[in-house]
Amino acid sequence: DADVTQTPRNRITKTGKRIMLECSQTKGHDRMYWYRQDPGLGLRLIYYSFDVKDINKGEISDGYSVSRQAQAKFSLSLESAIPNQTALYFCATSLADSTDTQYFGPGTRLTVL
Amino acid sequence: AQKVTQAQTEISVVEKEDVTLDCVYETRDTTYYLFWYKQPPSGELVFLIRRNSFDEQNEISGRYSWNFQKSTSSFNFTITASQVVDSAVYFCALSEYQAGTALIFGKGTTLSVSS
Repeated sequence: DADVTQTPRNRITKTGKRIMLECSQTKGHDRMYWYRQDPGLGLRLIYYSFDVKDINKGEISDGYSVSRQAQAKFSLSLESAIPNQTALYFCATSLADSTDTQYFGPGTRLTVL
Repeated sequence: AQKVTQAQTEISVVEKEDVTLDCVYETRDTTYYLFWYKQPPSGELVFLIRRNSFDEQNEISGRYSWNFQKSTSSFNFTITASQVVDSAVYFCALSEYQAGTALIFGKGTTLSVSS
């Protein structure tokens, strides 16, 4: 079984809809991250969490919110989806330090029509 | 400010050729880590290597090798005798100890290996 899982793997939604992307990990890592990938732009950080009570905004947090329900679960929500949020979204985890290796989930491909 | 530059957007080679992917970084921190990830056509991100700023030794893993040079702020990745399965997008990334946040990624280099 994969150590970092994301659901759904693919999602098509309409403008204005609320959508939640979920991430679960069995690695026992404290830190979790959400990134988005756009063609030609690499990966950019949306939110990150050092533990259940610590959530921080990343480079591009506008239009997104997150919830750290447990050490192993970190959800990303789009409150009112818009077309320019169409992207590939990745969840990642690391042990205890941001300089530790981050391990990524398989990604969620989101299309907002 | 921290930054990672992968100047090569796309590279095309024929199988068995050697290929080097360039990565140049900027940081003010004296303690930092550099990474390479591979993203094959299936889309997942696969960790390849992590190197800290105090270790400038080159590393070799099979057909892969990495050359870290602090003097030129570069962390280049060479694939020897490339294979079709090496076709992927390769990302270089930087993590700063002081910043304590997350990875700063380059925009990636798309490598196409033809048979």
